[in-house]
Amino acid sequence: DVKVTQSSRYLVKRTGEKVFLECVQDMDHENMFWYRQDPGLGLRLIYFSYDVKMKEKGDIPEGYSVSREKKERFSLILESASTNQTSMYLCATLRDTEETQYFGPGTRLLVL
Amino acid sequence: SQQGEEDPQALSIQEGENATMNCSYKTSINNLQWYRQNSGRGLVHLILIRSNEREKHSGRLRVTLDTSKKSSSLLITASRAADTASYFCATDRIQGAQKLVFGQGTRLTINP
Repeated sequence: DVKVTQSSRYLVKRTGEKVFLECVQDMDHENMFWYRQDPGLGLRLIYFSYDVKMKEKGDIPEGYSVSREKKERFSLILESASTNQTSMYLCATLRDTEETQYFGPGTRLLVL
Repeated sequence: SQQGEEDPQALSIQEGENATMNCSYKTSINNLQWYRQNSGRGLVHLILIRSNEREKHSGRLRVTLDTSKKSSSLLITASRAADTASYFCATDRIQGAQKLVFGQGTRLTINP
């Protein structure tokens, strides 16, 4: 069974704080993704990594950065959190030879 | 931009009835997938249909794809209370096929 874990289920941060969201997978998948999910907007891709130290911008990368130093770990960084980054953040993984993405349970972030 | 658009946004039916959800998309695809999300959780893959397929079944799920109309439907037969969830269609992108584009989802409620 693929297991994708996210460091926190719920997180409350203040405007201007630096926020780290971590995602860890145990199935050696090459690709990892960060999405945010907002009511009425579905899931939107923030960043994507296809290999260690490799990253690609998604549809809404502004205000975010990512880090992938090890294959199993993909971090999403909010350099200076803002209230409009309050959202549900979902991490997903994908094996190169497959088409199905596997999702973590999500982190609900509230920025005050 | 959102490629997949689900219809309806919300659907409420009685247990035992069939539930049909629709998805429309805008550009050419290699495949279309349906995912399910239980409240406040991550997404789980349900079924994938390729662009050269017209219909696919998996248990109580039936998916159709009409590439000429750029639309797909998901039918859940003999619904159960446990089917209550949000359902999302996701299309790949011809360039960068690892990246999926998700619709806004249909919120399905099964009343006992």
